[in-house]
Amino acid sequence: DQQVKQNSPSLSVQEGRISILNCDYTNSMFDYFLWYKKYPAEGPTFLISISSIKDKNEDGRFTVFLNKSAKHLSLHIVPSQPGDSAVYFCAASDDSGSRLTFGEGTQLTVNP
Amino acid sequence: DSGVTQTPKHLITATGQRVTLRCSPRSGDLSVYWYQQSLDQGLQFLIQYYNGEERAKGNILERFSAQQFPDLHSELNLSSLELGDSALYFCASSPGHQNIQYFGAGTRLSVL
Repeated sequence: DQQVKQNSPSLSVQEGRISILNCDYTNSMFDYFLWYKKYPAEGPTFLISISSIKDKNEDGRFTVFLNKSAKHLSLHIVPSQPGDSAVYFCAASDDSGSRLTFGEGTQLTVNP
Repeated sequence: DSGVTQTPKHLITATGQRVTLRCSPRSGDLSVYWYQQSLDQGLQFLIQYYNGEERAKGNILERFSAQQFPDLHSELNLSSLELGDSALYFCASSPGHQNIQYFGAGTRLSVL
């Protein structure tokens, strides 16, 4: 039962353009959503999060959008930089404040 | 550097053996989480400890156990190892029952 899904295993964009990574979830109890970035041989690094009471959260070049009715969230990176090349994981939690449920990840490649 | 330390970085062992993975959380963090990442999959939640007590359990096998010590470091014990246990094992910590978790670099376990 895959409660968080990232349907695109990979995404390739040109430097300076926008990267859009998508994530869908099925569990309506999820109320907090996070994006993590992971480089090879490192652990996931927290990037940005959003609570279910909001529909948008921005932090510099990163913006997360949440559409609760569609159970969909997306991460926008503008402008994309080669250093952004990594695997991006979407994660969700409920109000228990314990486990994170992760998607399978999307490999983003930003070409110079 | 997330402040979460995991040792060892790599572990190679044989089927049927037992290993112990160690995690030191960020200074002041009371919660420790363990996750397993098998090949090309997202991170799967195993177990959470809060201030020495088990707080939440995921799909953790009976052959696996964990504990959190008074100094808040945690150990994950894997016994009767099988080939399918080969994976990356991540530890994460957070100040309390909070949603943003900070991850260590992981331990790569290879069971031969």
